Order: sequence, then C-alpha cells, then structure tokens
Amino acid sequence: DAGITQSPRHKVTETGTPVTLRCHQTENHRYMYWYRQDPGHGLRLIHYSYGVKDTDKGEVSDGYSVSRSKTEDFLLTLESATSSQTSVYFCAISESGVTSRNTIYFGEGSWLTVV
Amino acid sequence: AQSVTQLDSHVSVSEGTPVLLRCNYSSSYSPSLFWYVQHPNKGLQLLLKYTSAATLVKGINGFEAEFKKSETSFHLTKPSAHMSDAAEYFCVVILPYGQNFVFGPGTRLSVLP
Repeated sequence: DAGITQSPRHKVTETGTPVTLRCHQTENHRYMYWYRQDPGHGLRLIHYSYGVKDTDKGEVSDGYSVSRSKTEDFLLTLESATSSQTSVYFCAISESGVTSRNTIYFGEGSWLTVV
Repeated sequence: AQSVTQLDSHVSVSEGTPVLLRCNYSSSYSPSLFWYVQHPNKGLQLLLKYTSAATLVKGINGFEAEFKKSETSFHLTKPSAHMSDAAEYFCVVILPYGQNFVFGPGTRLSVLP
C-alpha cells in the first residue's frame, strides 16, 4: 500500500467552526489531491496540488482552502464548517499527475460530520 | 465534456456465478478509463486501466474489462464471484486537463453465499 496517512480519521464538529484535515505521504509524489465522497456522486475533486505551494481548484472548491508547505503534507481547511460539508474526505497522491500511464493512490478516508 | 454512467447502483450475484458491472462514458476525446474498488471503510484500490494498448484489459483478482468504442462502454467482468468481491466499484474517466478523474456514481456489488 502507498504510504498515505489521513488525520483525523473521524471527526464531529459544530456548524461554523474551522476544521483542518491533514494528508501525509511518504512516497515523495509530486501531486496530491483532496476528494469528497457522497452517496450517488462518486468522488469529486475539491483541490489539488502539483508541487510545494502550487495548488488549484477542483469542481467543488467553494468553502474549502488548501495549503502545501512541504512535499509530504497537504492540508484541507474548512474555514467555517456547514452541514453540507458532512462527507467522507479522501486524500490521493500520484507521481506525475493524472495520466493513463500513472496511477493515483488513495488514503483510507476521513469521516467528517458537521452538526 | 466527459461523463461516466454506471447503469446499476446495486448488483447482487451468487458466489461462483459471473459478475458484470456496466459502465458507459461520453467523451469528445479518446478516453483513459479505470476501474477502482472500495471495500467498506477503506480507500480506493486500482483494479485495472485502459491505456489504448489493448481493448481487453486484465486486472487484479481475476477482473477484466473490455473497451468498446462503438458502444462507448467499459464493462467490468469476472467469471466467478467470490465473497471477498463484495464492495463498491467505480468506473473512472480522465479529463485531458485540470488534473482530474471523473468518477461514476458507483455500483455496490453484493455476493450471496
């Protein structure tokens, strides 16, 4: 298995509070991604990073921010959590981006409940 | 635009019988296609990928998928289901820009003893 650690794995938080999810990799891969998984939607991309301090938005980026100060860490922040952000969040990594010659590896997920 | 349709949200088979999970895509480009599997409370694991080298792609755990351009399909099959195959399966297509996979909604496979 690829060395991807997500923390926390489970969290319950109140509406309006800030939340940060951490993804840590030991593979030295350039690309890192945050996805959310919701029933009936598969996985949807929130943000991704293509290098230290280089990030870009995905299709569902509203309400989320990210930071990558080191190759191994990619942080996802919900500035003010809302109930619609209750979801399972997956971090993923790839060596050289999304191509058919490459593979994306996923972490085991972080379950976030906003009450 | 590209999208992925998985025609069945839930498929139930008996152990030892064939598995067919259907996937259709729409794309204005030559697609790159993948199947991923997700066991309960786990991350996603790559089963197989289509890279245009061969239309019949073999993956792990006895799964295979056939790319049919005329039908815009990439169905996943296995000759004989095992209890450990019970999981959620996602068909995925790559966008040619934006560093993104586009996921289908998933098909939950149940395997009955």
